[in-house]
Amino acid sequence: EVQLVESGGGLVQPGGSLRLSCAASGFTISSYEMNWVRQAPGKGLEWVSYISSSGTTIYYADFVKGRFTISRDKAKNSLYLQMNSLRADDTAVYYCVREIRGYGDWGQGTLVTVSS
Amino acid sequence: DIQMTQSPSSLSASVGDRVTITCRASQSISSYVNWYQQKPGKAPQLLIYTASSLQSGVPSRFSGGGSGTDFTLTISSLQAEDFATYYCQQGYSSPPTFGQGTKLEIK
Repeated sequence: EVQLVESGGGLVQPGGSLRLSCAASGFTISSYEMNWVRQAPGKGLEWVSYISSSGTTIYYADFVKGRFTISRDKAKNSLYLQMNSLRADDTAVYYCVREIRGYGDWGQGTLVTVSS
Repeated sequence: DIQMTQSPSSLSASVGDRVTITCRASQSISSYVNWYQQKPGKAPQLLIYTASSLQSGVPSRFSGGGSGTDFTLTISSLQAEDFATYYCQQGYSSPPTFGQGTKLEIK
């Protein structure tokens, strides 16, 4: 069974950093394209970042470019999102998503709250 | 960026009704549209991919159509568990973008 379990969210002050993790099971993360998608409270879905199966192609949404970094660890079968220079408008639930015929598998999400 | 505009933003309907949600892209995107269902407090779930292909395990009362710029998600006979928010998403070009969502409520 495919499972994606995010962790690492929490309360952080503006300008601070957080590292989100996504532990995958039931498949090998390096065989699939993976994404982070976020959802601000009461708002819609917003794509954040993408990493190809080979790991050689990475994309970011303009609003996180230069602040967030996506990565993965094959040995731990995990995906990460390093978030720096956090702003209040980064407050959202962050989902780890496997791309298979669209965004086929989602984690349960982890809440990031940026506030002083 | 390609904009995806859904209509309506909200919709009230009854169990057994036939419902159609529309998604319009700001430029032609062939058939690269996916549809998702999200219930409160839960992660979205993929319903339809590449405009009209039904995701495994999704009931056949859900169907998708369209190509180019105009797309539809139809629920042929609403069930109680279908009351949720629905999103379209284009996978034609980066960045991938979502519609603003359509909240389907019980009348």
